[in-house]
Amino acid sequence: AQSVTQLGSHVSVSEGALVLLRCNYSSSVPPYLFWYVQYPNQGLQLLLKYTSAATLVKGINGFEAEFKKSETSFHLTKPSAHMSDAAEYFCAVSAAGGFKTIFGAGTRLFVKA
Amino acid sequence: EAGVVQSPRYKIIEKKQPVAFWCNPISGHNTLYWYLQNLGQGPELLIRYENEEAVDDSQLPKDRFSAERLKGVDSTLKIQPAELGDSAVYLCASSSGTSGDQETQYFGPGTRLLVL
Repeated sequence: AQSVTQLGSHVSVSEGALVLLRCNYSSSVPPYLFWYVQYPNQGLQLLLKYTSAATLVKGINGFEAEFKKSETSFHLTKPSAHMSDAAEYFCAVSAAGGFKTIFGAGTRLFVKA
Repeated sequence: EAGVVQSPRYKIIEKKQPVAFWCNPISGHNTLYWYLQNLGQGPELLIRYENEEAVDDSQLPKDRFSAERLKGVDSTLKIQPAELGDSAVYLCASSSGTSGDQETQYFGPGTRLLVL
């Protein structure tokens, strides 16, 4: 079985500051890991995914995440926040090669001018 | 390429009334998902289709919810009768099922349901 825990339901950063959104997972089999972003009144959009290749994954809009098996983590980072990054971010896990995806509760990112 | 299309975008109904949501996945995507998203929560799977077959409906409340994907393309999710607790966003997603990208789900904008 898989599960996801996102630490912090809300994160606030200043424009230009580092963005760090935390995600820890639990999986009894090799996982696939995802970060999705959701803007108001829209569906989820894939930011990046880990599927057992390189542990450092680069995604769209300057985001990246590092798979750390020893820490069961997949934290999302961006060196410099932009106002347009303000949104809800969801971490998700599925079994490698599987279709059932478990989503975390989400972290809302606020970016201050 | 057109994305996942859902309609309506918003729906307000009174409790005990029926309601239906429609989804058209990305062309060529064999796998279709319906999710429920409550306020402040992540999506929760209701049902997954492979072509016209429902392969995972374990989380679908079958006493009031039903879904169909008759020709393996578009799909309808129905609630009858609706309850106050059904107020949420209903998301549809699809994936290609092709090797190397089968795990990536593409989401529609959702239908926001309010039950009064």
